[in-house]
Amino acid sequence: GQQVMQIPQYQHVQEGEDFTTYCNSSTTLSNIQWYKQRPGGHPVFLIQLVKSGEVKKQKRLTFQFGEAKKNSSLHITATQTTDVGTYFCAGERTTDSWGKLQFGAGTQVVVTP
Amino acid sequence: DAEITQSPRHKITETGRQVTLACHQTWNHNNMFWYRQDLGHGLRLIHYSYGVQDTNKGEVSDGYSVSRSNTEDLPLTLESAASSQTSVYFCASSVTGTGGEQYFGPGTRLTVT
Repeated sequence: GQQVMQIPQYQHVQEGEDFTTYCNSSTTLSNIQWYKQRPGGHPVFLIQLVKSGEVKKQKRLTFQFGEAKKNSSLHITATQTTDVGTYFCAGERTTDSWGKLQFGAGTQVVVTP
Repeated sequence: DAEITQSPRHKITETGRQVTLACHQTWNHNNMFWYRQDLGHGLRLIHYSYGVQDTNKGEVSDGYSVSRSNTEDLPLTLESAASSQTSVYFCASSVTGTGGEQYFGPGTRLTVT
């Protein structure tokens, strides 16, 4: 079954609003990555978090890695229509082979102008 | 510029036929991965390889096989296509070791009738 859970599955956002998507793993992760997939496109790497409690920002996007390295979040402020797409978290488990990722099911984001 | 390509981009085949999907990368990455993407499941790992002559099963490997005869290519073969294998297939590659971002190909949409 899915080892990495992502919520919510769908997110409808009014342009200009903020939202957060959450990612939870049943096992400790060595690192977590976030990807964005535009409709009809392929996943594109956004960022990687490695350290416990790490916070990274990319313009309007803020990524956090939990203290126990089992959960992560992506917060987007002042949503724009360019933020439309599906956001995936992907964790590399400490018990797994290097480079092998467990993907969450994704949060599909729809932005209403 | 380095890239990762997949062919064909679209394929329709009949149940029971053997199908091979090609993946070619010029990043010179040792790690290569095949995923399938279905609604509600995110990306599920089919097979992966850490280098020439190395192949490993992922979480949904039944009915699929891969071979790695060189660094650049990891073809995915469906031995006897089934309707349950209708999906979008993504190939990805990453550098050796842990924590490397994965670079995804454009995907192949496969329909089994």
